[in-house]
Amino acid sequence: AQRVTQPEKLLSVFKGAPVELKCNYSYSGSPELFWYVQYSRQRLQLLLRHISRESIKGFTADLNKGETSFHLKKPFAQEEDSAMYYCALSGKGAQKLVFGQGTRLTINP
Amino acid sequence: GAVVSQHPSWVICKSGTSVKIECRSLDFQATTMFWYRQFPKQSLMLMATSNEGSKATYEQGVEKDKFLINHASLTLSTLTVTSAHPEDSSFYICSARGLTEHDNEQFFGPGTRLTVL
Repeated sequence: AQRVTQPEKLLSVFKGAPVELKCNYSYSGSPELFWYVQYSRQRLQLLLRHISRESIKGFTADLNKGETSFHLKKPFAQEEDSAMYYCALSGKGAQKLVFGQGTRLTINP
Repeated sequence: GAVVSQHPSWVICKSGTSVKIECRSLDFQATTMFWYRQFPKQSLMLMATSNEGSKATYEQGVEKDKFLINHASLTLSTLTVTSAHPEDSSFYICSARGLTEHDNEQFFGPGTRLTVL
């Protein structure tokens, strides 16, 4: 079964501190992993995907198949990073996404 | 580009009535549209996947006769909540993917808040 687990519902860090949002998945195959972000009063939007191997807004995420994890990291948090973050999984070639429960990140000044 | 709209943004209806929610891809052709439901402070739960011109595929536990989905064109999908009851009150979100430069990416609508009295 496909499952995405984000163990932290809430995460609060100070501005300038490193941030790590955890995501673990369960999938019997080669998954595609994504991070979506939802800023206050805005729609859900794609932040990054593992196949792109890019850094968006200073965030990176590495797929660790051994640990079945796809943690989202940023070395220096900024106040505008405060948002709801969702980790999502799709089977290779599959259409649908399975979302984790989400983590609300708050960056304190 | 790749904008998805939903209408209405919110709706209040009486128990027993039906409500239709529209999802449109404004600047691309959506070969596939998805309908999600989100309860307060919870994640998005996929309800169904619809491909243009064919019947929707519903997730386990979602009543197809309760939640009617139509995807008659490449830019429009509708979700009709039939005989709505208070427990159907929720935030309904659609997404679309299709013929864009990011052909594997889903673009999300802003959501529709349904309140059934």
